Amino acid sequence: GENVEQHPSTLSVQEGDSAVIKCTYSDSASNYFPWYKQELGKRPQLIIDIRSNVGEKKDQRIAVTLNKTAKHFSLHITETQPEDSAVYFCAVAKGTYKYIFGTGTRLKVLA
Amino acid sequence: SAVISQKPSRDICQRGTSLTIQCQVDSQVTMMFWYRQQPGQSLTLIATANQGSEATYESGFVIDKFPISRPNLTFSTLTVSNMSPEDSSIYLCSVVGLREKLFFGSGTQLSVL
Repeated sequence: GENVEQHPSTLSVQEGDSAVIKCTYSDSASNYFPWYKQELGKRPQLIIDIRSNVGEKKDQRIAVTLNKTAKHFSLHITETQPEDSAVYFCAVAKGTYKYIFGTGTRLKVLA
Repeated sequence: SAVISQKPSRDICQRGTSLTIQCQVDSQVTMMFWYRQQPGQSLTLIATANQGSEATYESGFVIDKFPISRPNLTFSTLTVSNMSPEDSSIYLCSVVGLREKLFFGSGTQLSVL
């Protein structure tokens, strides 16, 4: 079955710096790659996603890049702010809506 | 996105008892799922709740422990049966909503003593 690895598990950055989180997957048939942000005590919220026919997608300060050949995708957050502090999960799916989630990255933005 | 409500939001239960969690969606959805998030961990799919038929369980989860109902396209329940402290987790229902994206309910934080 699909295996999703996420790195790093924790990440601390200074406010205003960039943060990058990477996920690798094993099933080349996977075709949908969302990212979720989970603040303490709250539900995971979809923040950005990308499908396998696109290499990059951007939404203001966040972007996702996908390398299908290498089977990895990354979340990029620029100009980080304290409110970006949360746990971020990548996920992988292939059409059946069965999402396999990564292990999560705890991001701390230091003011 | 759909509004997904869960009840209760949290509960503290004694071992050996059962708890039923309700999930209500404000619109009809075809795909509905139940996830478990153990403390400090990722999200693990328990089962797909199928309307009008038995739920489809993932490896490691069984109907006797986690019976699921899905009487219509807006509602589902998950029961955690014969609870032990290892069942202490956040339980989340989720639906595939607008543009085929997955959205989560508000979650139920369960503590088993």
